[in-house]
Amino acid sequence: EVQLVQSGAEVKKPGESLKISCKGSGYSFTSYWIAWVRQMPGKGLEWMGIIYPGDSDIRYSPSFQGQVTISADKSISTAYLQWSSLKASDTAMYYCARRDRGITWHFDSWGQGTLVTVSS
Amino acid sequence: QSALTQPRSVSGSPGQSVTISCTGTSSDVGGYNYVSWYQQHPGKAPKLMISDVTKRPSGVPDRFSGSKSGNTASLTISGLQAEDEADYYCCSFAGTYTYVIFGEGTKLTVL
Repeated sequence: EVQLVQSGAEVKKPGESLKISCKGSGYSFTSYWIAWVRQMPGKGLEWMGIIYPGDSDIRYSPSFQGQVTISADKSISTAYLQWSSLKASDTAMYYCARRDRGITWHFDSWGQGTLVTVSS
Repeated sequence: QSALTQPRSVSGSPGQSVTISCTGTSSDVGGYNYVSWYQQHPGKAPKLMISDVTKRPSGVPDRFSGSKSGNTASLTISGLQAEDEADYYCCSFAGTYTYVIFGEGTKLTVL
């Protein structure tokens, strides 16, 4: 069974750094792209970027380029999303999602989400 | 790039059909057959319902169907059931600069 298990909820102060994780299992982690999606409170889904763990090829949404860093450690089947200096506006639920294989752009498996709260 | 345009809300009675539209441009919805639809219940992660405009993943009821005409994609749910009440998001590939764009989301209420 394909599973993406994300790290737990975080409460941080503005200016702090943070790295959240998404661990894949039940499939070949290095053969599928992993995307990150933001959902601010009461709002819609926003695509942040995507990484191919096989070679760490990364593509960012222009809206999030320079705001976050996406990475992966294929030795432990885990993708990461990190911030160097959090802002209150980073408060949101963050999902990781697996992009299906082939010439397609949909996301067939999702993590349970990581709630990030940034407040002074 | 702005989100794809969806109606804020739609509603229908059990057994009826509803259609949710998703309007973009020739640079996203109209330019590629990579439109997908996701169902999200409150407090839950999104779930893939339709991929590549019309494909239904294994396990998704055949009451759910997708289509596209020009720059507008549509999700139709027939034989509405109470458990279909959720938020629905469309999603499209948008080229190798933006990559992926989601719709604004539509709240489906089953009356």
